[in-house]
Amino acid sequence: AQTVTQSQPEMSVQEAETVTLSCTYDTSESDYYLFWYKQPPSRQMILVIRQEAYKQQNATENRFSVNFQKAAKSFSLKISDSQLGDAAMYFCAYRSGTSGSRLTFGEGTQLTVNP
Amino acid sequence: KAGVTQTPRYLIKTRGQQVTLSCSPISGHRSVSWYQQTPGQGLQFLFEYFSETQRNKGNFPGRFSGRQFSNSRSEMNVSTLELGDSALYLCASMDGLNYNEQFFGPGTRLTVL
Repeated sequence: AQTVTQSQPEMSVQEAETVTLSCTYDTSESDYYLFWYKQPPSRQMILVIRQEAYKQQNATENRFSVNFQKAAKSFSLKISDSQLGDAAMYFCAYRSGTSGSRLTFGEGTQLTVNP
Repeated sequence: KAGVTQTPRYLIKTRGQQVTLSCSPISGHRSVSWYQQTPGQGLQFLFEYFSETQRNKGNFPGRFSGRQFSNSRSEMNVSTLELGDSALYLCASMDGLNYNEQFFGPGTRLTVL
């Protein structure tokens, strides 16, 4: 079974600074996808960024980028120029390429952005 | 397009009762998945329905069941409620042809007293 681990329960960052959230996963599959989701206090789960395992290039979405280390099974999220609206719980998630839409989530990292 | 909608948003039940939650996916999406979110267990996958068929199932007891209708709307049912069933229940819809895009609804907060 696949597992996803987020070792940082809480992180904080100053507004306009950069922060990196860590995620490791365990799988024996070669075809899979990785995601970072953001869950603000409203509880609405929002997709931040995704990475296909077969792509070597790290995904980037505006101020959000990932460092995907396939051999190390590591998938960290970097948030640049942090904004107050980035404050939320962030979840790393894994999805197999062969078993539908099922997501396996990490424990989450609560990000605080200080003004 | 309208987003994923879930009804009701909040629900209070007592132990032993049963409850039905509803999820309407984004128009055109044929896959609906359900997740349970609790402080202790985090986010756990319940099941996925695709074109009215259960395609995947998580490790939950048989008290948890679901179904999907021909218009892709899905319901999940929990029978004989226990205190531990108190949780936020999230559903997510996906276009079955695009495995990258999955969108979540706002959730139903279930409290069991």
